[in-house]
Amino acid sequence: DGGITQSPKYLFRKEGQNVTLSCEQNLNHDAMYWYRQDPGQGLRLIYYSQIVNDFQKGDIAEGYSVSREKKESFPLTVTSAQKNPTAFYLCASNTRELDAGEQFFGPGTRLTVL
Amino acid sequence: GQNIDQPTEMTATEGAIVQINCTYQTSGFNGLFWYQQHAGEAPTFLSYNVLDGLEEKGRFSSFLSRSKGYSYLLLKELQMKDSASYLCAVLDSNYQLIWGAGTKLIIKP
Repeated sequence: DGGITQSPKYLFRKEGQNVTLSCEQNLNHDAMYWYRQDPGQGLRLIYYSQIVNDFQKGDIAEGYSVSREKKESFPLTVTSAQKNPTAFYLCASNTRELDAGEQFFGPGTRLTVL
Repeated sequence: GQNIDQPTEMTATEGAIVQINCTYQTSGFNGLFWYQQHAGEAPTFLSYNVLDGLEEKGRFSSFLSRSKGYSYLLLKELQMKDSASYLCAVLDSNYQLIWGAGTKLIIKP
């Protein structure tokens, strides 16, 4: 079955620690995205990548970092510089064409910083 | 700035019809999406409109008026499983998705 996987589903970290969220897809999609979702708010774009070894900042990139060494993988690191990291993190992907249409989402990781 | 407005919460009765509105002001327009999101889960795709008019897909329909910057999602024959948040998103001139905050739909028996 093709899809996007994120792990873990729930993650707890102490304040000041960096943490890496994984995102893997086997849909052969070129483009991948990381969103953050807070209660009562829409999805906000953190980073996106349209091709291997290239990525762009989204609207709220400060305190986050990413890498795209493989087409299938787009991990997100939440650094200690992120002021309020507790949130629901969603990874998504689609084809790179401009009229690619829908994005496909992973199940999400809920990060809680204690 | 770019803005998408949806009602925060709506309540409807099982078996009834509900219309969820979305208005948008974005830098360009390359299509509008509706997604359904159950609590704690990922959004799932419902519909895509790029031309004016009504797109029907089973119990769900989506309407678009580009001149008015307006869309709605119509849900018929409501079921309890339709209780979820419904997210409106617009693809802007840079082909980036701009997301609304979502409408939480509560279905009562």
